[in-house]
Amino acid sequence: QQQVKQSPQSLIVQKGGISIINCAYENTAFDYFPWYQQFPGKGPALLIAIRPDVSEKKEGRFTISFNKSAKQFSLHIMDSQPGDSATYFCAASSWSGNTPLVFGKGTRLSVIA
Amino acid sequence: DSGVTQTPKHLITATGQRVTLRCSPRSGDLSVYWYQQSLDQGLQFLIQYYNGEERAKGNILERFSAQQFPDLHSELNLSSLELGDSALYFCASSAHPTMEDEQYFGPGTRLTVT
Repeated sequence: QQQVKQSPQSLIVQKGGISIINCAYENTAFDYFPWYQQFPGKGPALLIAIRPDVSEKKEGRFTISFNKSAKQFSLHIMDSQPGDSATYFCAASSWSGNTPLVFGKGTRLSVIA
Repeated sequence: DSGVTQTPKHLITATGQRVTLRCSPRSGDLSVYWYQQSLDQGLQFLIQYYNGEERAKGNILERFSAQQFPDLHSELNLSSLELGDSALYFCASSAHPTMEDEQYFGPGTRLTVT
């Protein structure tokens, strides 16, 4: 099965710190990499996404870094806030093949004051 | 609020039973996706419909089936339920059929099989 491996499973960060979540994929056909944020009792919501034609994408405090040769991508949350406490999922799919999103198993982030 | 509604919120049933989960997509969205979220398997894609037609199939068991109706709402039918089917089932919708179109997730249906 095509896999996306996500780490760490859980993360505790001090308020104002940087949260970093990493994902690695196997299928070189993947060319779309979104991150989803999920709060307890809610469905996932798209946070930010990147295609492999760029190595980095930034939206506010959230940045995706992408390393095509290593088949890895990561989410950085700058100036982490208690409101960022949620579960984060990375995912991947192949735009050209229109393959379904394959999700990582999630990272539970807790930002403490 | 994503605009995607799912009913019921919670469902408790016994092994061997059959249940139907319902999803109403966002207004104007033609594509509906079903996902299963469990602690050990994470979030897994089950099936996608676009404008009434099956578009893509994932790890959906033969005991499970889905359909999308002319009014675009969708139903996921789970039969011969097993304990391992206990999970959160999410529906998502998007305007277009491609997987990169932003998918809006509903709040989910929590299924407990006893």
